[in-house]
Amino acid sequence: GNSVTQMEGPVTLSEEAFLTINCTYTATGYPSLFWYVQYPGEGLQLLLKATKADDKGSNKGFEATYRKETTSFHLEKGSVQVSDSAVYFCALRPDNTNAGKSTFGDGTTLTVKP
Amino acid sequence: GEEVAQTPKHLVRGEGQKAKLYCAPIKGHSYVFWYQQVLKNEFKFLISFQNENVFDETGMPKERFSAKCLPNSPCSLEIQATKLEDSAVYFCASSPKPGQVYGYTFGSGTRLTVV
Repeated sequence: GNSVTQMEGPVTLSEEAFLTINCTYTATGYPSLFWYVQYPGEGLQLLLKATKADDKGSNKGFEATYRKETTSFHLEKGSVQVSDSAVYFCALRPDNTNAGKSTFGDGTTLTVKP
Repeated sequence: GEEVAQTPKHLVRGEGQKAKLYCAPIKGHSYVFWYQQVLKNEFKFLISFQNENVFDETGMPKERFSAKCLPNSPCSLEIQATKLEDSAVYFCASSPKPGQVYGYTFGSGTRLTVV
């Protein structure tokens, strides 16, 4: 079956530090890949996505590149802010016709300190 | 509207009681998904609908859980005879298609506490 593996947290960084959160996946075919962010007490919000190999998704200074050769979709940001503190989820959505459901990683908690 | 509305925000039930959760998807979105978030951050898929039809129910514990999406009504997730391990945050999400290129729009969740 499909699976998503994220680096375990928590991750604690100082403001303006560089962020990488690793994500690898297992799936047949060509899934779409997503990063979602969850702030305390809220639902998940779609942060960025990539739908085919070598695509780069970007939003709010975050970016991730779909690497089929390494089955990875690592999230990066060059300079984090305190307001980026949240839980980040990597997810995939398969390209077969039977299951529209997404598979989520276990989330990585990011804390950014001033 | 442009948001997925979930009610109630919090729900407390005694063990063995019934719990019913509601979700109004974004207008025009044909697909609704229910997930259960337990143990820190783990997301467990429960069920999905295409309009009022069940699309995928492979994650549903069928002996106590049921769900519906009826026309012109919010979707619902019902748990008969709740157990302590049902305590979780239940998220609803909607999507315009089942196709891979679309992400989900999530509601803010219902926190169910079974005591």
